[in-house]
This record gives sequence, structure tokens and C-alpha cells, in this order.
Amino acid sequence: DVKVTQSSRYLVKRTGEKVFLECVQDMDHENMFWYRQDPGLGLRLIYFSYDVKMKEKGDIPEGYSVSREKKERFSLILESASTNQTSMYLCASTLGGQRALYEQYFGPGTRLTVT
Amino acid sequence: AQSVTQPDIHITVSEGASLELRCNYSYGATPYLFWYVQSPGQGLQLLLKYFSGDTLVQGIKGFEAEFKRSQSSFNLRKPSVHWSDAAEYFCAVGAGDMRFGAGTRLTVKP
Repeated sequence: DVKVTQSSRYLVKRTGEKVFLECVQDMDHENMFWYRQDPGLGLRLIYFSYDVKMKEKGDIPEGYSVSREKKERFSLILESASTNQTSMYLCASTLGGQRALYEQYFGPGTRLTVT
Repeated sequence: AQSVTQPDIHITVSEGASLELRCNYSYGATPYLFWYVQSPGQGLQLLLKYFSGDTLVQGIKGFEAEFKRSQSSFNLRKPSVHWSDAAEYFCAVGAGDMRFGAGTRLTVKP
């Protein structure tokens, strides 16, 4: 069974802290994604990665960076957390190939609160 | 760039009643179309997908969706709703990248 796990379900951090959100998939998927989900806005893509050490900016990369040192793990980094980064963060992964790119498997999400 | 609109933010239906959730998209060609469901506190789960061919697609949990090119729509339907269907539903369009609608929250009355 497909599985995407995220390191924390809930996280509370202070403004200015460096925050790491980790995502691990056990399906040998090539592509991994980080989204943030806010009420009324749906999901917005922050970054994605189509291979180890490769990354591409999504729609809202400002204030975030990512790291993918191993195929199964994709980390989202908030260099200096701010209150407007309070949100639900969702990780997803997919196989390679055109159609498979859109069949995304999601983790349970991390609800981050920045105070 | 493609976009997705879910006109209904919140819908309430009685258990056993039929359900239709609306989704409209904007894109020059026919994109790939998806419906996802998010139960409270959970990630998103793929309900069904449309790539090409038969415009009526069947998904998991008894859901179906119909692609109507003339209306740029991909509405989700279920003939009889169960209390466990209460969740948030997202329509998504895949064309180059993936775009999600804002979501429709479904409440099921007993």
C-alpha cells in the first residue's frame, strides 16, 4: 500500500525560527511536492522535485527552500518563520511519466502555527 | 494557465440523498481532470480521474464524475450519500502542472 508520511502532525514555532518539515515516501516515486493549504485558497504549490538533488519552484516559493538528498525524502525548510506561514502543509509524491505525474499520493499534513 | 473553480464552498445534504458537486475549469485544450477527497485531519485521497475516452468515469466509494467539454465542467456525483462522506472535496486540473480548486465542504445530515 502506498504511503507518504510527514514528520509531525502539529507544530508550533516562534517567529524567526528555522523550521524543518520532513516527508518520506516508500513507493520509490520520482516526483515529490510540497503544498500549503489555506481556507478558501485550496492547495498552492511551493516546490517540487523530479529527482534527487533537483528542485523546481512552484507558485509560492518565497520564504521557503527544499532539500532532496535521497529519493524517498523531501524536506521543506522555512528559513525564518513568519506568522503568515501559519498553514497546513501537505506533501505528495508521484511516479514519473506524464499521466502518473498528476496521480498524487498525499501525506496526512502538518499543521504549522507560527506565533 | 489553467484554473479551476468550485462554485460551492459548503453543501449540506441529508443522508441517503443524491449529491452533485460542481467543478469548472479554464484551459485551452482538454486537461486531465481529478477529484480528491480530504477527510478531517487527513491528507487528500484520489477519488477518480479522467484522461480521455468515456466521459463518465467511475471512482472509489461509489462516486462518479462526468466530463462535459461544452461546459468545461467535471461534476462529481453520488446517488446516495452516507454519513462517512462528510469531508472536503477538491477538483483538480492537470495540464503542465496541477491546479486545485478551493474545495467544497460537504456536511451530511442524519
